[in-house]
Amino acid sequence: GENVEQHPSTLSVQEGDSAVIKCTYSDSASNYFPWYKQELGKRPQLIIDIRSNVGEKKDQRIAVTLNKTAKHFSLHITETQPEDSAVYFCARINNNDMRFGAGTRLTVKP
Amino acid sequence: NAGVMQNPRHLVRRRGQEARLRCSPMKGHSHVYWYRQLPEEGLKFMVYLQKENIIDESGMPKERFSAEFPKEGPSILRIQQVVRGDSAAYFCASSEQEGNQPQHFGDGTRLSIL
Repeated sequence: GENVEQHPSTLSVQEGDSAVIKCTYSDSASNYFPWYKQELGKRPQLIIDIRSNVGEKKDQRIAVTLNKTAKHFSLHITETQPEDSAVYFCARINNNDMRFGAGTRLTVKP
Repeated sequence: NAGVMQNPRHLVRRRGQEARLRCSPMKGHSHVYWYRQLPEEGLKFMVYLQKENIIDESGMPKERFSAEFPKEGPSILRIQQVVRGDSAAYFCASSEQEGNQPQHFGDGTRLSIL
């Protein structure tokens, strides 16, 4: 499998601000891109995903965009809250082969 | 519908012992994946299994590590002759079918080597 680059590695925002996490991939056959949130000591939880036939998907305060030509996708969290603080992982899947980014530690300061 | 079940949640072994980690996928899921996570690091793919078959073990160390997913019972990740460097959280995930499907994770097994 091929790697996924994720940036930034840490992100600190003030409550109410937006947070953006970006990922790039190189496996052009990838066509499914999930995002996971992992709180300290807990399991990674799927929070949103996008397929390659879609450019953008939104679920309340969370949105994901995908640029398949440029091979990058982003997570956007608006109106951040302290409970959004966690590590976020992007991933790409090509036919059951899932590879993760290194993660972004998001801290939302009250 | 129970989620992915892993046991034990915590496992302590001395160097040289064997560790056996179990994973029962979500009901209706026939694909199982194992990942390793070191503290403050990301999730590293180890192995992908379907019932009675190893599909991709490209992330598994060549020695001491093995995995199986028998026709009956949970998937097992087995680490023989453990060393301190094996200390990590081991997560299992499952998915429903072939193709690009979401993987759902268990709570993990935290392995500590004394």
